[in-house]
Amino acid sequence: EIVLTQSPGTLSLSPGERATLFCRASQSVSNNYLAWYQQIPGQAPRLLISGASSRATGIPDRFSGSGSGTDFTLTISRLEPEDFAVYYCQQYGGSPPWTFGQGTKVEIK
Amino acid sequence: EVQLVESGGGLVQPGGSLRLSCTASGFTFSDYSMTWVRQAPGEGLEWISSISSSGGAMYYADSVKGRFTISRDNAKNSLYLHMNSLRVEDTAVYYCANNPHWGQGTLVTVSS
Repeated sequence: EIVLTQSPGTLSLSPGERATLFCRASQSVSNNYLAWYQQIPGQAPRLLISGASSRATGIPDRFSGSGSGTDFTLTISRLEPEDFAVYYCQQYGGSPPWTFGQGTKVEIK
Repeated sequence: EVQLVESGGGLVQPGGSLRLSCTASGFTFSDYSMTWVRQAPGEGLEWISSISSSGGAMYYADSVKGRFTISRDNAKNSLYLHMNSLRVEDTAVYYCANNPHWGQGTLVTVSS
């Protein structure tokens, strides 16, 4: 089973600042099948990025994903008020289980 | 518009059973694999099961293997999760998903 470790656990930033979130896999993610999700409390997760770097339909271009192999990054170039949420990475390459990271909370400083 | 609507959640005693349903609309259901993900209160997301578009291949997390069964009825545009031998630790919101689309979830509470 591939274990995903997200860092930091919490990121305290102000609107307009840049956010950088990390996701490290315990072994290489097949075909870089790594997704990022945003979850606002009380709501279902929303897919932001798939294939490590492809934005989902309707996702603003301030969200970008990068990385390959075992190290992946989600960058939010300029935080908007609606971006304060919890973010999860998930690997879905190869055989199941298709595991999630434990999440990074982006909170208002 | 794509919609996924879960139902069937509720309160059940430990050792009990429950069947969750997910009704899909707005896309050709039979063309896509489907997934169940759960989230315990205050916790993160946990992938628990997926099924291929035809229903011929099913996959489970170790935490539910042997107790939960995923199935689908493509004629009814419906996905199911049959849950047996429920435990307190199965308490969670259960989501059905077909990226990028997710339902709003249904809450399962296992408690005596």
